[in-house]
Amino acid sequence: GAGVSQSPRYKVTKRGQDVTLRCDPISSHATLYWYQQALGQGPEFLTYFNYEAQPDKSGLPSDRFSAERPEGSISTLTIQRTEQRDSAMYRCASSRTRGMGETQYFGPGTRLLVL
Amino acid sequence: DQQVKQNSPSLSVQEGRISILNCDYTNSMFDYFLWYKKYPAEGPTFLISISSIKDKNEDGRFTVFLNKSAKHLSLHIVPSQPGDSAVYFCAASAGNFGNEKLTFGTGTRLTIIP
Repeated sequence: GAGVSQSPRYKVTKRGQDVTLRCDPISSHATLYWYQQALGQGPEFLTYFNYEAQPDKSGLPSDRFSAERPEGSISTLTIQRTEQRDSAMYRCASSRTRGMGETQYFGPGTRLLVL
Repeated sequence: DQQVKQNSPSLSVQEGRISILNCDYTNSMFDYFLWYKKYPAEGPTFLISISSIKDKNEDGRFTVFLNKSAKHLSLHIVPSQPGDSAVYFCAASAGNFGNEKLTFGTGTRLTIIP
């Protein structure tokens, strides 16, 4: 595609519900990142994929958070048993490949509100 | 522990003048630095970057300066234009150590006054 797309753009859910967020990276981009951005803060790294592999999950805040990229293109981020502190903007980015100097292109984000 | 700090939440500059945005970092393993620009309701877009082997990188009206000994970088925009009004994020990575994830600052909101 022309750019990184994310869906839904907005999600309101009740505490305790599970949510799944979707990211469509730029086609042919091998590497995909997930970030969480709280209000007034910069994006914070959650996890990334290189094709289907997930080399780094160090930023996932708890085991309620998981991500998949089974075919090396579209990725989903799932939050189980959501809590109010999970309310944030969730941003996806993709880059052509791994490596320093590879520009990460960001999607518009999914704003999650947990009531 | 904020490894990348942008101490000015906001900055206002007259159109045509120079805008200087500052960023400090604490992690000495960072070796690649970037500036992203963000308009409302959009994702951050890449603006300019610099590797730690350089101290300056220029792209049109945008120049990034890196002072490794001070662990400080700055973005200069000259001349500033109304379309430059946005939030600017400084980011860093430790790519040479196999860690390309970006660590972001909290952003500086730049307003260009016509």
